[in-house]
Amino acid sequence: SYVLTQPPSVSVAPGQTARITCGGNNIGSKSVHWYQQKPGQAPVLVVYDDSDRPSGIPERFSGSNSGNTATLTISRVEAGDEADYYCQVWDSSSDPYYVFGTGTKVTVL
Amino acid sequence: QVQLVQSGAEVKKPGASVKVSCKASGYTFTSYYMHWVRQAPGQGLEWMGIINPSGGSTSYAQKFQGRVTMTRDTSTSTVYMELSSLRSEDTAVYYCARPTHDYGAFDIWGQGTMVTVSS
Repeated sequence: SYVLTQPPSVSVAPGQTARITCGGNNIGSKSVHWYQQKPGQAPVLVVYDDSDRPSGIPERFSGSNSGNTATLTISRVEAGDEADYYCQVWDSSSDPYYVFGTGTKVTVL
Repeated sequence: QVQLVQSGAEVKKPGASVKVSCKASGYTFTSYYMHWVRQAPGQGLEWMGIINPSGGSTSYAQKFQGRVTMTRDTSTSTVYMELSSLRSEDTAVYYCARPTHDYGAFDIWGQGTMVTVSS
């Protein structure tokens, strides 16, 4: 199966920039999606197809994807950004077809 | 507005089955696949399978093959996920999720259904 590896935690001060990586074999050839999940809530899509944002998601959220690493960048971090973040890809040659990353807890200091 | 509303929490004994429903509204039910994703307490997200509400075809993660059945009722715009032979490790929140398009990101999620397996 295809494996996506994320750092367990990232800490960032308010107003600074948080970068969350998602590592996978040749992930740059796949479309990567990112979800934000706050405690007790369902996940929310924040970036899709590597770098597009759904309507209603602040421009502070951006994404990139190249080689073996995809990155979610949160600029000008706010207290409300504290959450778990998951990357996800579709890989038709894998089982399961839809793979989630291990998840990263973002803590706002 | 587009929304997915799931059935309420369940408590089951080991070996039993559970059936979770997910009612869609605000869009054409048969135009979008539906996924099921689960999350054990304190753990990450795990994809279980997908159903095409138009024809009813399904595809399941190998881990759940033989234990999971996904169905739909087009008359009520509802999809169902039934998991059998429950064990304690199946204790989790189960979500339905709609993709933006075939093989796309999951932009609409249900509120989740907590399933507890305990003797």
